[in-house]
Amino acid sequence: NAGVTQTPKFQVLKTGQSMTLQCAQDMNHNSMYWYRQDPGMGLRLIYYSASEGTTDKGEVPNGYNVSRLNKREFSLRLESAAPSQTSVYFCASSGGKFYEQYFGPGTRLTVT
Amino acid sequence: QKEVEQNSGPLSVPEGAIASLNCTYSDRGSQSFFWYRQYSGKSPELIMSIYSNGDKEDGRFTAQLNKASQYVSLLIRDSQPSDSATYLCAAITSGTYKYIFGTGTRLKVLA
Repeated sequence: NAGVTQTPKFQVLKTGQSMTLQCAQDMNHNSMYWYRQDPGMGLRLIYYSASEGTTDKGEVPNGYNVSRLNKREFSLRLESAAPSQTSVYFCASSGGKFYEQYFGPGTRLTVT
Repeated sequence: QKEVEQNSGPLSVPEGAIASLNCTYSDRGSQSFFWYRQYSGKSPELIMSIYSNGDKEDGRFTAQLNKASQYVSLLIRDSQPSDSATYLCAAITSGTYKYIFGTGTRLKVLA
């Protein structure tokens, strides 16, 4: 039981390049999330998927797209990376009666 | 705007003491509350969840919820240097699927 997994762990991009961050969970949770965390800013919600087949914008969606591929997988795509997207990205999933949320290990992204 | 407020700290306590971390929330509709521990460079780790008024204990951790005062706290008994981390408080309103996180309190346990 791996919980929430994310790939890659680290990535360096040049401005304008694109990439997809992958996330998978094996807890049979309905809801999945993408956050970014910057120093002094706390966790900010980028996109979430309440259930398979649905996605919604969070607090900071500009510059990102998501795909809920199936119940287990939720990917985040940067179409044209910008230095302002340098951050640590966390995927999370939640479920159960009390909506407990669990986080993946994170992807540290640097855009130069 | 729904908010969860925490004192950023740092909160310094000596080893073996009780650390008390506090959190207030603005949305009266919030139904579930969570405490996460985050070590530097790591992801948030769920350590306690609480849904009903009162206390919930798990080992050295006790979460306290007072919905009338819109207040959640986390007590860490017999604090250890390994408890030094940032503690995030979060709340969710049933049916919204969005978690509101505080910015965290940095705890330092001094050996």
